[in-house]
Amino acid sequence: DGGITQSPKYLFRKEGQNVTLSCEQNLNHDAMYWYRQDPGQGLRLIYYSQIVNDFQKGDIAEGYSVSREKKESFPLTVTSAQKNPTAFYLCASSIGGTGGFGYTFGSGTRLTVV
Amino acid sequence: QKEVEQDPGPLSVPEGAIVSLNCTYSNSAFQYFMWYRQYSRKGPELLMYTYSSGNKEDGRFTAQVDKSSKYISLFIRDSQPSDSATYLCAMRSQGGSEKLVFGKGMKLTVNP
Repeated sequence: DGGITQSPKYLFRKEGQNVTLSCEQNLNHDAMYWYRQDPGQGLRLIYYSQIVNDFQKGDIAEGYSVSREKKESFPLTVTSAQKNPTAFYLCASSIGGTGGFGYTFGSGTRLTVV
Repeated sequence: QKEVEQDPGPLSVPEGAIVSLNCTYSNSAFQYFMWYRQYSRKGPELLMYTYSSGNKEDGRFTAQVDKSSKYISLFIRDSQPSDSATYLCAMRSQGGSEKLVFGKGMKLTVNP
């Protein structure tokens, strides 16, 4: 079955630590996205990538980094510079180009600072 | 003014009720309109997709787009407890990237 796999489902981070969230898709989609979801704030775009080896900052990129070395993979690193990282993180993909029918989302990673 | 406005609720209705969820938007370039359903601790899933104005029906769900008023709606008929979820509207313009603009989401509870 085609889809997006996010791992881990739950992640705990200590203060000052970098952590990496995994996102893999087998939908052959060109575009991939990372969102952060907080209660009452909806989905906020962190980074997005329309093609391999290229990505753009979203609305809240500070304290985060990404890479897109393979079409299937778009990992997100939450760095120690992100002061309030506790949130639900969602990865999504879309066909890309000017067409498309919206996003397919993964099941999310809940990150908690301990 | 935010590009997309959605009342976050929460909304609680009895089973069998007709539910109306709405979003307004300010960008007249938006052409693609979507509704996503998100169950607790899960990723959103695409529920309805509409291009430009008009209505689209799928079972108990109807999506409406009124571009003249910059207003979109999702109607749920004969609501069921399994419809309890957060509903997010999303939209984008034609051309350019596929980047969506989301509403904040409305939490719906259908009580048996």
